[in-house]
Amino acid sequence: EAQVTQNPRYLITVTGKKLTVTCSQNMNHEYMSWYRQDPGLGLRQIYYSMNVEVTDKGDVPEGYKVSRKEKRNFPLILESPSPNQTSLYFCASSPQGQGNTEAFFGQGTRLTVV
Amino acid sequence: RKEVEQDPGPFNVPEGATVAFNCTYSNSASQSFFWYRQDCRKEPKLLMSVYSSGNEDGRFTAQLNRASQYISLLIRDSKLSDSATYLCVVGTGGFKTIFGAGTRLFVKA
Repeated sequence: EAQVTQNPRYLITVTGKKLTVTCSQNMNHEYMSWYRQDPGLGLRQIYYSMNVEVTDKGDVPEGYKVSRKEKRNFPLILESPSPNQTSLYFCASSPQGQGNTEAFFGQGTRLTVV
Repeated sequence: RKEVEQDPGPFNVPEGATVAFNCTYSNSASQSFFWYRQDCRKEPKLLMSVYSSGNEDGRFTAQLNRASQYISLLIRDSKLSDSATYLCVVGTGGFKTIFGAGTRLFVKA
């Protein structure tokens, strides 16, 4: 089954404790991205990747890191989480840039930083 | 001003009603347009792309007005299962995609 898989689905952590949210897709898509969704603000792009070892900042990259060592995986790293990073996070992939084609989303990761 | 603006709603309509959502965008260079549907606490899923000539998929019709920089979604004969948040999405080509904050729809029996 074609899918985008995120883990964990739910996470409660403390300020400053490094964490990684994993994202994996099995559709051989070149393009992957991370979004955060907050009430009233919609989805905002954090980082995106056009292919292996090629990443770039989205609209809200501060406090986040990403890597793309393999085509299928695109982890999101929070080196020192803060309460303002409490949010619902989505990973997405698409065969081309998401400005042109359908994006396939993971099921989301609800992160709470206390 | 937000790059993509939607009326947040909620729209409360009875079953069988026709409901329309509008979405405006600020970047005249935008090239691609989509409507996504998002159920509560779930991931967004593509509902339909929006083409310049307008397009229809069953009970759903999407239209694009480039001159006025807005897109619309019309839902006819609303079903209970249509209750969701509808996200307007605008692409400037390639890698830049802007999501609207969404319009909530509740269809009541």
